[in-house]
Amino acid sequence: NAGVTQTPKFRILKIGQSMTLQCTQDMNHNYMYWYRQDPGMGLKLIYYSVGAGITDKGEVPNGYNVSRSTTEDFPLRLELAAPSQTSVYFCASTPLGGTEAFFGQGTRLTVV
Amino acid sequence: GQQLNQSPQSMFIQEGEDVSMNCTSSSIFNTWLWYKQDPGEGPVLLIALYKAGELTSNGRLTAQFGITRKDSFLNISASIPSDVGIYFCKTGGSQGNLIFGKGTKLSVKP
Repeated sequence: NAGVTQTPKFRILKIGQSMTLQCTQDMNHNYMYWYRQDPGMGLKLIYYSVGAGITDKGEVPNGYNVSRSTTEDFPLRLELAAPSQTSVYFCASTPLGGTEAFFGQGTRLTVV
Repeated sequence: GQQLNQSPQSMFIQEGEDVSMNCTSSSIFNTWLWYKQDPGEGPVLLIALYKAGELTSNGRLTAQFGITRKDSFLNISASIPSDVGIYFCKTGGSQGNLIFGKGTKLSVKP
């Protein structure tokens, strides 16, 4: 079972570049989430989605954009990368009515 | 917004020692979950609690859902080196806005 798949696993960006972090899940979960985790710190919610076509801001949305055109995919876009966005990004999903979150393996992003 | 206060922030213990950590909130929740994050990995569910007062074990791990529904505790008995990682408490917020505690980083000295 694939679960939640994130790509790429690692990426180095230059300041001002843009990129899209991909996340896909094959469990037909309604809810999907993007978190960032800075070194030694907890998980901060960037954006979440309760279903296709619906997205909402989390705790730290500035500098990011998301879309949810299908149930399976929830890409996270960085338009103008900044050093402060150096972090590990985790995508997660939960089923409708459930609270257990299933996480991807993470994307380690460095902005130089 | 809703917040979970998780403590301690970090722990350095000797192999074989028991570990206790907890999460508290000013809000009432219907579920409490505990996750573990191994270094370089995403968090994975350890124990889920769905009823106030519930005490649930998973091997050497025991978690309790507080009677007030505002807190939860996780205990690890006889720690081993592979217990190293970050432990997160989690509960459900409104409209799918999942709330995590800030984590307890556990280091185990052989």
